[in-house]
Amino acid sequence: AQSVTQLGSHVSVSEGALVLLRCNYSSSVPPYLFWYVQYPNQGLQLLLKYTTGATLVKGINGFEAEFKKSETSFHLTKPSAHMSDAAEYFCAVSVPSGGSNYKLTFGKGTLLTVNP
Amino acid sequence: DADVTQTPRNRITKTGKRIMLECSQTKGHDRMYWYRQDPGLGLRLIYYSFDVKDINKGEISDGYSVSRQAQAKFSLSLESAIPNQTALYFCATSDTGGNGELFFGEGSRLTVL
Repeated sequence: AQSVTQLGSHVSVSEGALVLLRCNYSSSVPPYLFWYVQYPNQGLQLLLKYTTGATLVKGINGFEAEFKKSETSFHLTKPSAHMSDAAEYFCAVSVPSGGSNYKLTFGKGTLLTVNP
Repeated sequence: DADVTQTPRNRITKTGKRIMLECSQTKGHDRMYWYRQDPGLGLRLIYYSFDVKDINKGEISDGYSVSRQAQAKFSLSLESAIPNQTALYFCATSDTGGNGELFFGEGSRLTVL
């Protein structure tokens, strides 16, 4: 069975500072990896995803993540935080579960606070 | 208009009442899901449906039931609500063979007093 661990339930950065949100996973088969973002009072929206190919994935709003198989990690970064980045971020792993089905497992989320 | 629409967005009810949360989608996806979000626990899967005739329990289905009325509609019911069912509920959809990527509604906040 797969699992996802997000290190740090709450991360606080200053505006303009580097954002680093950590995600490690375990999976017995090659996974697909996702980062979702949830802004206050909204649903989750896809930030970026890794399926196959290039291991550095670029998403919306200047975020990117790198799939590192040897480290079983998929950390999310952004060079310079904006106040509008304040949100909760969820890492998720998807693995095939037979036929055309996939099983998606979410991490518990990391709340990002951006200080002026 | 949103691709995945949930109603109601907010609901306050009392213990023992029956509650239905509704979800409709215009994405044309066959697969629909209900998740529950609690602080510090992330998202937990309640029920999922791969088509109108295929409904499956998720990890926390006790106390909940669902109905897939059509490809585009998937409702979640709490037959007798209890306070620990107070949570934010999300409906989501996915495409068959879409690598598991989900498309979420904006959520239904339920408070059970």
